[in-house]
Amino acid sequence: SQELEQSPQSLIVQEGKNLTINCTSSKTLYGLYWYKQKYGEGLIFLMMLQKGGEEKSHEKITAKLDEKKQQSSLHITASQPSHAGIYLCGADGDSNYQLIWGAGTKLIIKP
Amino acid sequence: EAGVTQSPTHLIKTRGQQATLRCSPISGHTSVYWYQQALGLGLQFLLWYDEGEERNRGNFPPRFSGRQFPNYSSELNVNALELEDSALYLCASSLEPDNQPQHFGDGTRLSIL
Repeated sequence: SQELEQSPQSLIVQEGKNLTINCTSSKTLYGLYWYKQKYGEGLIFLMMLQKGGEEKSHEKITAKLDEKKQQSSLHITASQPSHAGIYLCGADGDSNYQLIWGAGTKLIIKP
Repeated sequence: EAGVTQSPTHLIKTRGQQATLRCSPISGHTSVYWYQQALGLGLQFLLWYDEGEERNRGNFPPRFSGRQFPNYSSELNVNALELEDSALYLCASSLEPDNQPQHFGDGTRLSIL
């Protein structure tokens, strides 16, 4: 069965610095979704990637899907306290429209 | 456009009781998904409803059940509550089940005493 591995598990970054979070799949990705979650709250949809080499941006967050469609990266430029939270990647699984989820990356921004 | 709404926000029950959680999807969305997020664990898929039918089920016992109403809202029922059922229960909806992002509600925090 397909698995998604996120790295790192947690990240502490000085405010203003850039950072990257990775999501690696054991199988080809046909749809990759990035979400952000504040502690104890729901998930906020950030971006969806479908095509190899695709790149999308939303404010200071950029997500890419590699050409082989087995890895996605989320890059935050000039991090701010509002970027703190848990970032999760989800992917279209290989059965019955069920999404497969990574374990999440906890991001802490130091002022 | 109103987002996915869940009620109640918090629910406190004791072991053996039954809990009912409710979810209203975004207008026009026909697919509703339920997830469990226990402390320290990732998102665990519970149930998927589309057009009033249960389409898929995660690896949970039968005491976790639900339904989807004609207006596409949904409820999750958990019978014979156990301590390990304490978790954040998230509902999501999507326009279609394939190649569409799921949009999440803020969840119901279920605490079992």
